[in-house]
Amino acid sequence: EDKVVQSPLSLVVHEGDTVTLNCSYEVTNFRSLLWYKQEKKAPTFLFMLTSSGIEKKSGRLSSILDKKELFSILNITATQTGDSAVYLCAVGARNTNAGKSTFGDGTTLTVKP
Amino acid sequence: EAQVTQNPRYLITVTGKKLTVTCSQNMNHEYMSWYRQDPGLGLRQIYYSMNVEVTDKGDVPEGYKVSRKEKRNFPLILESPSPNQTSLYFCASSFDRSSYNSPLHFGNGTRLTVT
Repeated sequence: EDKVVQSPLSLVVHEGDTVTLNCSYEVTNFRSLLWYKQEKKAPTFLFMLTSSGIEKKSGRLSSILDKKELFSILNITATQTGDSAVYLCAVGARNTNAGKSTFGDGTTLTVKP
Repeated sequence: EAQVTQNPRYLITVTGKKLTVTCSQNMNHEYMSWYRQDPGLGLRQIYYSMNVEVTDKGDVPEGYKVSRKEKRNFPLILESPSPNQTSLYFCASSFDRSSYNSPLHFGNGTRLTVT
């Protein structure tokens, strides 16, 4: 059974701090790992990672994948209150059920002013 | 505007009364999927569809039905709802037929309460 574990489950920081969110996975025939941000409504896409060691970056957010150690990290620098959200990690695997997607439980980030 | 539209946004019903949550996308996406989200948990996949007339079970399909008669629509049917189906439901779609080649676009969610 595919498994995605995120840590920590929740995190409280102050504006300006840097945070690192973790996502580890155990899947057969891994193909991609995706990060989403959820702010009290629908999740929105952040990054899709398929290759090890290549950093994806968007403003203050960045993410990298390690396919040998089976994990990804999402970094947020100089956090702002608008970064407060649940961050979800999802893994897609190429197997007989190519349509299945497995999500972690999410990390709830709270950024205090 | 490219979007996934779910209706209704909120629904309160009683045990055993059949209901349908509609989902429609205007992006000509191949793949559509339903998820439920419960407090402290991530998204758990209920059913998905990789093509018209093709549907398959996700991780938590019990008590749900779906159909994909047209590319744009993917309704979720609860034939006999029970209180343990009280949850926040999301419909999502993506361009690629697989779950791993393109990101998901989500609807705004349907909060269902079954009493």
